Amino acid sequence: DGGITQSPKYLFRKEGQNVTLSCEQNLNHDAMYWYRQDPGQGLRLIYYSQIVNDFQKGDIAEGYSVSREKKESFPLTVTSAQKNPTAFYLCASKEGYEQYFGPGTRLTVT
Amino acid sequence: GQSLEQPSEVTAVEGAIVQINCTYQTSGFYGLSWYQQHDGGAPTFLSYNALDGLEETGRFSSFLSRSDSYGYLLLQELQMKDSASYFCAVRDNYGQNFVFGPGTRLSVLP
Repeated sequence: DGGITQSPKYLFRKEGQNVTLSCEQNLNHDAMYWYRQDPGQGLRLIYYSQIVNDFQKGDIAEGYSVSREKKESFPLTVTSAQKNPTAFYLCASKEGYEQYFGPGTRLTVT
Repeated sequence: GQSLEQPSEVTAVEGAIVQINCTYQTSGFYGLSWYQQHDGGAPTFLSYNALDGLEETGRFSSFLSRSDSYGYLLLQELQMKDSASYFCAVRDNYGQNFVFGPGTRLSVLP
């Protein structure tokens, strides 16, 4: 089955630690995205990548970093510089005008 | 700046028709999408309008008026499973990115 996988579903970290969220797709899509969703809110763009070895900052990139070394993979690192990292993180890929989302990772930092 | 507005909540009964409105102000515009998200789940694509007019997909229809910067999602023959959050999203930045609205929570009552 083609799709996007994110792992883990739930992640707990202590304040001050960096954490990397996984996103893998086997849809052969060039474009991939990371969004953050807070309770009762819409999706806000963190980073996006249109092609391997290239990525751009979104609206809320501060405190986050990404890499795109392979077409299938677009991991997101939440650094200790992110002041309020607890949130639901969604990865997506795009074909044409349609985005395909992974199941998300719920990150809790205490 | 970029902003999208949607009603925060809508309530309707099974079998009814409901309309969810979306107004937008964005720096670029290539089309308006609608996504459905059940609690704790991933957003799933419903529809896309690039041109003015109505697009129909089964029980769901979506409308766009570019001159009014306005669109809506129409859900007919409501079912309990339609209870979810619905997001409009503008495709901008030369079609590369999507800006999401805050979402409308639809509750379908028996």
